[in-house]
Amino acid sequence: DARVTQTPRHKVTEMGQEVTMRCQPILGHNTVFWYRQTMMQGLELLAYFRNRAPLDDSGMPKDRFSAEMPDATLATLKIQPSEPRDSAVYFCASALDRADETQYFGPGTRLLVL
Amino acid sequence: DQQVKQNSPSLSVQEGRISILNCDYTNSMFDYFLWYKKYPAEGPTFLISISSIKDKNEDGRFTVFLNKSAKHLSLHIVPSQPGDSAVYFCAVPPRNTDKLIFGTGTRLQVFP
Repeated sequence: DARVTQTPRHKVTEMGQEVTMRCQPILGHNTVFWYRQTMMQGLELLAYFRNRAPLDDSGMPKDRFSAEMPDATLATLKIQPSEPRDSAVYFCASALDRADETQYFGPGTRLLVL
Repeated sequence: DQQVKQNSPSLSVQEGRISILNCDYTNSMFDYFLWYKKYPAEGPTFLISISSIKDKNEDGRFTVFLNKSAKHLSLHIVPSQPGDSAVYFCAVPPRNTDKLIFGTGTRLQVFP
């Protein structure tokens, strides 16, 4: 049963703290996406990778957010320092080769920054 | 600059009736269009798609209609079931990219 996994599922932290979210894409998928869901904006693309190389991070606030893929089985999204406006659900998705209907989403990390 | 708009944040439909979810887009340069479905505490899952060269695609109870002249996309669910209660997102893939642009979603509630 191949699926995208994300940890942690929930995170509560104080403003100014570092937050690290992790994603394990489906084995064999070479494209990985990070999305953020908020009430006002819906699902926003933050960044994505193909074959571990960053292709587009234009949706990501550069001063505090960073996304990496240390290896093919792990993608990370870090926020440092975190702010209350970062509170949202962060989703990771993976796809095989192209982003068509086969983007598979993880369950998300619900982040609350106090 | 929102390329995909879902103007109805919510919709309530009685079980057995038709649910119609709408989506408008601003750019004509999309080759296909997708609908995703999201349950609470889960990630979105792909539901159905349509190529820009077609005007209708049907999969069981789900049918997507594309009106290119109006730049309008709709998802019909017939008959609606309580298990269809979820948030529905339309999404488009800009050409020559791997990414998807999502609408803000419509929350569908199907009541008995």
